[in-house]
Amino acid sequence: DADVTQTPRNRITKTGKRIMLECSQTKGHDRMYWYRQDPGLGLRLIYYSFDVKDINKGEISDGYSVSRQAQAKFSLSLESAIPNQTALYFCATSVRGNQPQHFGDGTRLSIL
Amino acid sequence: GQQLNQSPQSMFIQEGEDVSMNCTSSSIFNTWLWYKQEPGEGPVLLIALYKAGELTSNGRLTAQFGITRKDSFLNISASIPSDVGIYFCAGLEGAQKLVFGQGTRLTINP
Repeated sequence: DADVTQTPRNRITKTGKRIMLECSQTKGHDRMYWYRQDPGLGLRLIYYSFDVKDINKGEISDGYSVSRQAQAKFSLSLESAIPNQTALYFCATSVRGNQPQHFGDGTRLSIL
Repeated sequence: GQQLNQSPQSMFIQEGEDVSMNCTSSSIFNTWLWYKQEPGEGPVLLIALYKAGELTSNGRLTAQFGITRKDSFLNISASIPSDVGIYFCAGLEGAQKLVFGQGTRLTINP
């Protein structure tokens, strides 16, 4: 979905490095999410934010942090990357209520 | 955490065949969603279901929200090569937290 943009699309880095993944959206949605995708496990929620002042931990938040810099921007950080954080990372947005989430095209992160 | 059981995990079919996949949960969901993911892309919404018993179509795709609110199925009729991909079910909990199934990988032989 071009309205949800993730950067970078691919990143290879070393153990112990600090990494930041960026997400920006032009959909005007209040709610933003970060997911991790591993083979055979579907997508799992890392963090979510219902507005700029509201940040919540998801299912697998350990080792990650987030920042909601503006309504349109939500970044995910790995303070000290480790190999088992190698995965596909997706950002998603939604409006209020029970409406579906819309996903970006993902960041493929490899940690050596 | 909560899990959705999606089956089958993979399907190998001939072009033109119908496809059926389903998801079950031990918990009740208020909304069921079906997404498709292609290589190098994020999941794209196919169908959203909001009421128990609801049956919704999107072209050749049909999905139903189970009466018990603990299951959903997706059917694809007369499959074509562009249907190839990974299909995910997802249940939406009250606070808009999506729980995903493990995915069904669909491969089509022409």
